[in-house]
Amino acid sequence: TAGITQAPTSQILAAGRSMTLRCTQDMRHNAMYWYRQDLGLGLRLIHYSNTAGTTGKGEVPDGYSVSRANTDDFPLTLASAVPSQTSVYFCASSGGTGGYNEQFFGPGTRLTVL
Amino acid sequence: AQSVTQPDIHITVSEGASLELRCNYSYGATPYLFWYVQSPGQGLQLLLKYFSGDTLVQGIKGFEAEFKRSQSSFNLRKPSVHWSDAAEYFCAVGGNQGGKLIFGQGTELSVKP
Repeated sequence: TAGITQAPTSQILAAGRSMTLRCTQDMRHNAMYWYRQDLGLGLRLIHYSNTAGTTGKGEVPDGYSVSRANTDDFPLTLASAVPSQTSVYFCASSGGTGGYNEQFFGPGTRLTVL
Repeated sequence: AQSVTQPDIHITVSEGASLELRCNYSYGATPYLFWYVQSPGQGLQLLLKYFSGDTLVQGIKGFEAEFKRSQSSFNLRKPSVHWSDAAEYFCAVGGNQGGKLIFGQGTELSVKP
């Protein structure tokens, strides 16, 4: 079982360009999350989705958008990238929305915005 | 405000020595507490979690953690560290507001031979 896949693995992007980070899970989990990881700050939640068709804002949503058209896919879009969005992005999923549910993480996408 | 603090950014221990990684949290309701491990270039893997019952929880790879409500702490321990334990460790807290987690800043563990 693949679990969670993310693409691309890494990307260098010019400031002002748009980009979509892809995330797909094969565990039929209802809940999905996007985090960014920055040195000294740990992981911070960008957006989340409790079920297909719904999304919500996390701690740092500005400059990002998400959609959840189906259970498996949860793409993250940067409409106009800025250098402060240079980070490692992790997608995660969990089987339920209860706070005790384990989150499963993808391998991450390393994004550099120049 | 809800937060998680890991006071130690980087810890170095000798192989075979014991380990304790500290985690303090601030949360307004009953917390659900997690420890995740991240090996270089990888995603995060759950080591253990606490949400009720016995305050000493056992996890994978020989790790354990103790929930102390009076100290708002959830420290991670291992009696004897192996070189393969070198990684970054994250403490996280969640609750009944859906599955959203708040992560600490992480502690990087180095293991000396």
